[in-house]
Amino acid sequence: AQKVTQAQTEISVVEKEDVTLDCVYETRDTTYYLFWYKQPPSGELVFLIRRNSFDEQNEISGRYSWNFQKSTSSFNFTITASQVVDSAVYFCALSEATSGTYKYIFGTGTRLKVLA
Amino acid sequence: NAGVTQTPKFRILKIGQSMTLQCTQDMNHNYMYWYRQDPGMGLKLIYYSVGAGITDKGEVPNGYNVSRSTTEDFPLRLELAAPSQTSVYFCASSYSTFGPHGESQPQHFGDGTRLSIL
Repeated sequence: AQKVTQAQTEISVVEKEDVTLDCVYETRDTTYYLFWYKQPPSGELVFLIRRNSFDEQNEISGRYSWNFQKSTSSFNFTITASQVVDSAVYFCALSEATSGTYKYIFGTGTRLKVLA
Repeated sequence: NAGVTQTPKFRILKIGQSMTLQCTQDMNHNYMYWYRQDPGMGLKLIYYSVGAGITDKGEVPNGYNVSRSTTEDFPLRLELAAPSQTSVYFCASSYSTFGPHGESQPQHFGDGTRLSIL
C-alpha cells in the first residue's frame, strides 16, 4: 500500500544552521511522483518541488536541496543556512501513476522552527 | 494573479447546520480537489473533479457533497454539520494530471477555510 512517512514531528534549529527533513515513501508502482510543499504560519500550501521516479538526480534551488534515493525510498529535503522565514510545516507527498496521479498521499508533516 | 480563492476563511457552525464552502480558480485548470487537514495530520482527499460535470469520491467523502457546473468553481457542501467535521479545508486545482511528458502536475492550493462545529 502507498504511504508517506515523515518521522520528524518537529525540529528546532538556530538560524544559519543546516537542517534536513526526512521523507520515506512506500509504493509498488514503478512510475510515481514525489512532492514537497511548505505551509507557513499563514496557512496556505506552497508547492516547492516535484520529482519523477525515473529521475534520481538531486536538485538544488538556492538554499534548498533535495536528495532522492530510490534504493532507500527516501526523498529528503535540506535547507542550508536556515532563516527565520523558513519556519513552517513541510509536507512530503506521493502520487502514483496506476492509482491516478491526482491522488496525493501526504505525510503528516514536519514542523520546522528556526530560532533567531 | 488570484489563483485558487476560498471563502469564507473562518466559520463557526452549530451541529446540524449546513453550509457551502466556496472555491474558485482562474488558472483554467480542469482538475479540482477538496482536502481536509486535521491537527497533526496530513491532508486527506474528500472529493475531486476532472472537469465540469464530473466529480468523484476521495478518501473521506462521508458527510460532504460537491458539484462542478463550471471549470472555475467547485463548491463543497456540508449538509448536517457534525463535530468530527471540525477541520481546515483546502481546495486545490491542477492541469490535467499528465503533462507533456507524462508527468504528474503539481496542485495549487487555496488559503484554506477553518471550520469549527460546536
